[in-house]
Amino acid sequence: QKEVEQNSGPLSVPEGAIASLNCTYSDRGSQSFFWYRQYSGKSPELIMSIYSNGDKEDGRFTAQLNKASQYVSLLIRDSQPSDSATYLCAVRGNNRLAFGKGNQVVVIP
Amino acid sequence: ETGVTQSPTHLIKTRGQQVTLRCSSQSGHNTVSWYQQALGQGPQFIFQYYREEENGRGNFPPRFSGLQFPNYSSELNVNALELDDSALYLCASSLVSGNQETQYFGPGTRLLVL
Repeated sequence: QKEVEQNSGPLSVPEGAIASLNCTYSDRGSQSFFWYRQYSGKSPELIMSIYSNGDKEDGRFTAQLNKASQYVSLLIRDSQPSDSATYLCAVRGNNRLAFGKGNQVVVIP
Repeated sequence: ETGVTQSPTHLIKTRGQQVTLRCSSQSGHNTVSWYQQALGQGPQFIFQYYREEENGRGNFPPRFSGLQFPNYSSELNVNALELDDSALYLCASSLVSGNQETQYFGPGTRLLVL
């Protein structure tokens, strides 16, 4: 079982719609969770961090954490073409970040 | 901009050679982590340095080694390069505070091994 799994294939959403991304993790003791955005050919850019169960909102982004289900999600509201990128879920444990493979999001104008 | 810089931006080497990649941390950060990202994959943890000491290591062979300097800048050295070492190498700096740590990435070094 991989430490961090992002299983969805590329996600195409119309401009203005909501994009929903999911991530599961295996280490039940994990305490810190992050979403990074990575444009093609660029390095990951932090967009959200979440540490407690529930929702955390930052602008058009909402992160949701459910530690009992070992599940983290990211919602992107009012999707814009500039949101087209790969989104990486990361979980901190043992002094390192474990990343998922990433989910590609394409926002169609 | 994260304030984390890496050099060089691109590098081409041949199999068997050695390479040194460099990273300067964001001001005030005391921890540097290195990751390897192959095409289409998420970053894979190589190792972390905290106050000049290795503070964790991923599943990479000993030919991957590192250093952190008193000014918290860091180097990643890879000996005996293999074709599979071709990847984007990412440095991330952070300030560890209790149980919380947020890592900020530099622009990366793209290494091609021929």
